[in-house]
Amino acid sequence: SAVISQKPSRDICQRGTSLTIQCQVDSQVTMMFWYRQQPGQSLTLIATANQGSEATYESGFVIDKFPISRPNLTFSTLTVSNMSPEDSSIYLCSVSTGEGTEAFFGQGTRLTVV
Amino acid sequence: GQNIDQPTEMTATEGAIVQINCTYQTSGFNGLFWYQQHAGEAPTFLSYNVLDGLEEKGRFSSFLSRSKGYSYLLLKELQMKDSASYLCAVMDSNYQLIWGAGTKLIIKP
Repeated sequence: SAVISQKPSRDICQRGTSLTIQCQVDSQVTMMFWYRQQPGQSLTLIATANQGSEATYESGFVIDKFPISRPNLTFSTLTVSNMSPEDSSIYLCSVSTGEGTEAFFGQGTRLTVV
Repeated sequence: GQNIDQPTEMTATEGAIVQINCTYQTSGFNGLFWYQQHAGEAPTFLSYNVLDGLEEKGRFSSFLSRSKGYSYLLLKELQMKDSASYLCAVMDSNYQLIWGAGTKLIIKP
């Protein structure tokens, strides 16, 4: 299993500002993902964080809005840029140690944009 | 397109048994996962099925039929702490997880 530390756990931000969320894993992992979860809804994949290269974004998500870094196999950041109230959501970091194995989740970041 | 269907909400009584169903249509199949998510918390892994049949793990069991695109999660001897959302997720041919919307399970005394 993998232990994931995600920071911050929650934040209230002003519209137009940016927030960077950090995800630290206690071991090297192959795959790291960033999800968004609206209240009462399913998980929506934002992007796959690739070590040493640009993240792979899902339809509807772009790098300018959600820049992602992954400098090594244990750490990644997601930035929510130029925030609006519609960005209010829970953001989750997830990791997997390989194909066909379960995903582990960070504690999540509850973001409120006012 | 890819689709995962599960009931939105279910109610059961403490001590009873409940079955949460999940049907799926995905591009390829590399396993089906069940996760538990308490309100305000991250999902936690419950089970993984890649072959047909029943996997039992304590009070929880998960069943898979690949030919029918169907799975269920069976919870026995329900406890109040089992009140949570249960998420069904399928790993597709690209090893990407496709998530259902989750089933909110309410346990009554």
